[in-house]
Amino acid sequence: GEDVEQSLFLSVREGDSSVINCTYTDSSSTYLYWYKQEPGAGLQLLTYIFSNMDMKQDQRLTVLLNKKDKHLSLRIADTQTGDSAIYFCAESHDGGSQGNLIFGKGTKLSVKP
Amino acid sequence: GAGVSQSPSNKVTEKGKDVELRCDPISGHTALYWYRQSLGQGLEFLIYFQGNSAPDKSGLPSDRFSAERTGGSVSTLTIQRTQQEDSAVYLCASSSTPQVELFFGEGSRLTVL
Repeated sequence: GEDVEQSLFLSVREGDSSVINCTYTDSSSTYLYWYKQEPGAGLQLLTYIFSNMDMKQDQRLTVLLNKKDKHLSLRIADTQTGDSAIYFCAESHDGGSQGNLIFGKGTKLSVKP
Repeated sequence: GAGVSQSPSNKVTEKGKDVELRCDPISGHTALYWYRQSLGQGLEFLIYFQGNSAPDKSGLPSDRFSAERTGGSVSTLTIQRTQQEDSAVYLCASSSTPQVELFFGEGSRLTVL
């Protein structure tokens, strides 16, 4: 079955780069997403990448996709304390029963001043 | 409305009681999702609606859980005979189609004593 795996915790110092990694099993994924959840709030779409792309950059965010290894990463440059949140990787594909979207368990990013 | 609205935001109930959680999706969104987020457990898919029908209910953890959606809009998640392990944040999301951005509500925090 489909599965999305992420490490649960990441701690970085303010100003450093953060890299959050994700692996998935479904090679038919069409879109891959990164969602951000701040404390006490719902999830918010951060960025996404289409499966035929290798990289997408949006300001401080860089998404890298290695489709051969089914590996997705999110790099946050110059990490700030406001980036502290839980980051969820998700994949979508045709024919899935979960509304075509499967989430990982989330990586909690802690940014130390 | 401007966003996905969930009510109640907080619910404390006694073990064995029934609870109803409500979700008002963004107007015009045809897809609606329920997820459960337990402490340390990540995001657990419960059920997905396309219009008023639910293609797959297998994410519901037991037969005490049920959900319906009427008029292609509001959805209600009902938990009967609540147990302490049902304590979690129940998140609702909606989207215009199953394969684009999900917009999440802020969740309903359920505490079963």
